[in-house]
Amino acid sequence: LAKTTQPISMDSYEGQEVNITCSHNNIATNDYITWYQQFPSQGPRFIIQGYKTKVTNEVASLFIPADRKSSTLSLPRVSLSDTAVYYCLVGDIASSASKIIFGSGTRLSIRP
Amino acid sequence: DAGITQSPRYKITETGRQVTLMCHQTWSHSYMFWYRQDLGHGLRLIYYSAAADITDKGEVPDGYVVSRSKTENFPLTLESATRSQTSVYFCASSERASDNEQFFGPGTRLTVL
Repeated sequence: LAKTTQPISMDSYEGQEVNITCSHNNIATNDYITWYQQFPSQGPRFIIQGYKTKVTNEVASLFIPADRKSSTLSLPRVSLSDTAVYYCLVGDIASSASKIIFGSGTRLSIRP
Repeated sequence: DAGITQSPRYKITETGRQVTLMCHQTWSHSYMFWYRQDLGHGLRLIYYSAAADITDKGEVPDGYVVSRSKTENFPLTLESATRSQTSVYFCASSERASDNEQFFGPGTRLTVL
């Protein structure tokens, strides 16, 4: 099982860049790294996904080192609305859907 | 409207009763999933389905039954509800096996008394 380890919580301020690191030492060759965001009383929402190096979209960047044993979600210039729980997942639906684990996530609090 | 819906949104039942939670998606996604989320915790996979008539167990399948006779529907049944099954249940779907992006429904809050 590709278990992940993330910080339980993080605090930051509006306008800052926030980096959340996830450790996944047992990542398999076929596994992707996927990040989700969850607001209270809502289902998780996909943020970004990558396999190696760097991926960037309109809301975040994902940095993955060569050994793929960790990854870092980077949120540029956060706002109060970025306060949420962020989950790091590793896995591949096609080969191991049953092994995709959400874990406890990182509770990010943004202050004015 | 296109998307993924769950019903009911809230349900209160008693120990021993059978409960069915419904999930419907309009995208014709191949994969569908059921998760439970206990207060203050992450999501745990109960069952998933790769296509109609194909289902498989996740991390915590005991006490649950699923079926998928049609691509768009993936009901979850608690055959004899227990208090430990009090939770928020999320259904999700995914389009491609090569893409792990899952689209989640709004959730069903189930309370078992």
